[in-house]
Amino acid sequence: GAGVSQSPSNKVTEKGKDVELRCDPISGHTALYWYRQSLGQGLEFLIYFQGNSAPDKSGLPSDRFSAERTGGSVSTLTIQRTQQEDSAVYLCASSPGSGRGSPLHFGNGTRLTVT
Amino acid sequence: QKEVEQDPGPLSVPEGAIVSLNCTYSNSAFQYFMWYRQYSRKGPELLMYTYSSGNKEDGRFTAQVDKSSKYISLFIRDSQPSDSATYLCAMSGQDTGRRALTFGSGTRLQVQP
Repeated sequence: GAGVSQSPSNKVTEKGKDVELRCDPISGHTALYWYRQSLGQGLEFLIYFQGNSAPDKSGLPSDRFSAERTGGSVSTLTIQRTQQEDSAVYLCASSPGSGRGSPLHFGNGTRLTVT
Repeated sequence: QKEVEQDPGPLSVPEGAIVSLNCTYSNSAFQYFMWYRQYSRKGPELLMYTYSSGNKEDGRFTAQVDKSSKYISLFIRDSQPSDSATYLCAMSGQDTGRRALTFGSGTRLQVQP
């Protein structure tokens, strides 16, 4: 596809359930990021993947959050035992380079609502 | 105090007005400065990209960076209703210890026809 694809676009789940969010980056992009955007807030960095290097997990808010990237392409963000404060838009972005100046290309996000 | 501060708005202007959007930051290691535009229920899209201090112009948009003041601006000339969106500043640097961009909280702009 032409852009970053995220699924589902919307997800409503009950408190305590696990959820999986999927990101399909732009073909050939080596860097992949997950961000979280809460209402009225900026983008909060969660995790970064670059090629086969160990991911930078420094932004994950708790051990209930994890992510993987298979084959250097598709990524899945998993939230276990969801809480109401996890409600937010989860944005995935990819970048063609690993440099700190490389612009990001975002998907349209998954809007997660925890009831 | 946040590393990047941005007035959340909303900022409402009439069509044709010149719009000024601003961010201040505290980390002097930031070198790369970007502006993203985000329409409702869409992901952010890159609008402007500048490296270090100076100006960059692209059509109706001009980005300015003043590293000495730790202040960046985005100017929109002849604003249009289609410019109504949230504008996010973002920045990064080689010596910040992180690869991810640091974002401001965004300014919501409404251009009234």
